[in-house]
Amino acid sequence: QLQLVESGGGVVQPGGSLRLSCAAAGFIVRGYGMHWVRQAPGKGPEWVAVIWHDGSKKYYSDSVRGRFTISRDVSMDTLYLQLNSLRVEDTAVYYCATEDGDFSHMGSWGQGTLVTVAS
Amino acid sequence: QSALTQPPSVSGSPGQSVTISCTGSSNDIGGYNRVSWYQQAPGTAPKLIIHDVTIRPSGVPDRFSASKSGNTASLTISGLQAEDEADYYCSSYTRSISCVFGSGTKVTVL
Repeated sequence: QLQLVESGGGVVQPGGSLRLSCAAAGFIVRGYGMHWVRQAPGKGPEWVAVIWHDGSKKYYSDSVRGRFTISRDVSMDTLYLQLNSLRVEDTAVYYCATEDGDFSHMGSWGQGTLVTVAS
Repeated sequence: QSALTQPPSVSGSPGQSVTISCTGSSNDIGGYNRVSWYQQAPGTAPKLIIHDVTIRPSGVPDRFSASKSGNTASLTISGLQAEDEADYYCSSYTRSISCVFGSGTKVTVL
């Protein structure tokens, strides 16, 4: 597995914003399509978004479309997730993961960063 | 997109076999050979153990095998070991250009 490191999580009030980052250690992220997946406490994983390796295509789950934005900085070789209009139900550990096939599987995962939305 | 349906729990004694089902629809599992399975131990990130329905990544023990029939995928753990105790999630690509995970199955080794 390749090593990924997420950062940027924290506590934010409903309606607030946060930006998550995902960097790779020892390999080049820009060669991979990349996903964000979240997992609420005690629940299963929920797919959030994907971006193609070249950034040409982006897709979102219905629950975040219009509020979250996935992007990548090729020069910094970093993946981002901008979270806007946050809701209590967005509280979760957010993982970044590599797309290792044809939108078929996530081969390497980070350790996750916790986002807590609460007043 | 609703989560794929998995049994909440399965259990078996060491050495036995257990099978986890994952049921979706023709919009996901039944329509594509892009089913994957993940193992998750408490407090850790999910780990890929099967992709593209039946393919085991390097390093995953061959006691893990999987298949698909119609709208249902299955994961079998043969020769159950104590270290296999974990949560297991299936996942599939969907017609709406998204990914959906299963509801999760807790495997208990008795």
